[in-house]
Amino acid sequence: QQQVKQSPQSLIVQKGGISIINCAYENTAFDYFPWYQQFPGKGPALLIAIRPDVSEKKEGRFTISFNKSAKQFSLHIMDSQPGDSATYFCAAFDNYGQNFVFGPGTRLSVLP
Amino acid sequence: NAGVTQTPKFRVLKTGQSMTLLCAQDMNHEYMYWYRQDPGMGLRLIHYSVGEGTTAKGEVPDGYNVSRLKKQNFLLGLESAAPSQTSVYFCATWPGRESNQPQHFGDGTRLSIL
Repeated sequence: QQQVKQSPQSLIVQKGGISIINCAYENTAFDYFPWYQQFPGKGPALLIAIRPDVSEKKEGRFTISFNKSAKQFSLHIMDSQPGDSATYFCAAFDNYGQNFVFGPGTRLSVLP
Repeated sequence: NAGVTQTPKFRVLKTGQSMTLLCAQDMNHEYMYWYRQDPGMGLRLIHYSVGEGTTAKGEVPDGYNVSRLKKQNFLLGLESAAPSQTSVYFCATWPGRESNQPQHFGDGTRLSIL
């Protein structure tokens, strides 16, 4: 049973377009929501993160939108670039278990 | 400053063999984690440690053991390797929620069990 659901599984976007990845969770013990970016052959690296007391956080071209009541959060990549082509994981920190739970990942391809 | 270093980077084992994966960190982080990454499954937690001398089971602990004798090292052991353990293994560290910092990952160990 996936504790963090993520969609779509893969995404193809034209250069300059907007990439949107969605995640959902059920566990109310989750209280910190990072997004990771992973390039082939590398470990995941933090992209942007949000806490549930904030509805939106923006860093450059990357924005997280958070809907606490719906237990959903999403990543928007504006003006997508070929260099953004990677696998993206949403995650949630389980405050009870003191560990992070990851979504299954979205493989993003940005076409030049 | 190396951050999180995993050794080895690649390994091929035969079914039934044993081996130990090493994760070393130089950031003095309390928390350390072992994940496995399989296609379409994301990162699944195997075992983790909230401090030196402590370990805890994650989502998929069967077939693995861990030890955290020193704060900077977290070892993952496979006592009798099985083909189902073919995967990419990632170690991560975390200073704790008060730090407001993310997890830091190593570059992974690619393990094939024949």
